[in-house]
Amino acid sequence: DAGVTQSPTHLIKTRGQQVTLRCSPKSGHDTVSWYQQALGQGPQFIFQYYEEEERQRGNFPDRFSGHQFPNYSSELNVNALLLGDSALYLCASSISKGTGALYEQYFGPGTRLTVT
Amino acid sequence: RKEVEQDPGPFNVPEGATVAFNCTYSNSASQSFFWYRQDCRKEPKLLMSVYSSGNEDGRFTAQLNRASQYISLLIRDSKLSDSATYLCVVIRNSGNTPLVFGKGTRLSVIA
Repeated sequence: DAGVTQSPTHLIKTRGQQVTLRCSPKSGHDTVSWYQQALGQGPQFIFQYYEEEERQRGNFPDRFSGHQFPNYSSELNVNALLLGDSALYLCASSISKGTGALYEQYFGPGTRLTVT
Repeated sequence: RKEVEQDPGPFNVPEGATVAFNCTYSNSASQSFFWYRQDCRKEPKLLMSVYSSGNEDGRFTAQLNRASQYISLLIRDSKLSDSATYLCVVIRNSGNTPLVFGKGTRLSVIA
């Protein structure tokens, strides 16, 4: 049973560029959440996708956008990259049922983004 | 004030020692509490949930004090393999709400 997978593992971009990160959830999971973890900090919630829609959003600018596909996989897009966007981007998958019971979130290995 | 606060450490302890980590949270409506473990350059992994009655898993004991808005993790008989960052995590509401992480406490167990 494959766990959460993310691609790419590492990425180097230049300020002003755009980036797309990808996540495949654990088998049987339908909800994907994205987190940003800066060095020395805990992960910060970016947004969550369920049924191909953004269900919740953290305190991140509109430069951060996402998408969820019918197979539950998800993408995180960041436009107009800033040096401060350098971080580990983590994807977590979970199951939502009915009105949205929260189950354990399983994290992928992350994508390490460096903006120069 | 941060919603979840932890002492960042590092805690450097010898093998076999007992070590305790504390965490405070500011939102009294918080409903669920967890400890995650994160190894260097790896993803966080759930270590254990935290209940008001306290819970134990082998050498690990977690406690929750809702009145003081305080969570603790006790590790007994520390092993070298326990070296990691321990993240305190809070969920504000029921339903699919995001995890709110503390900054983490670094533990180094020394031979």
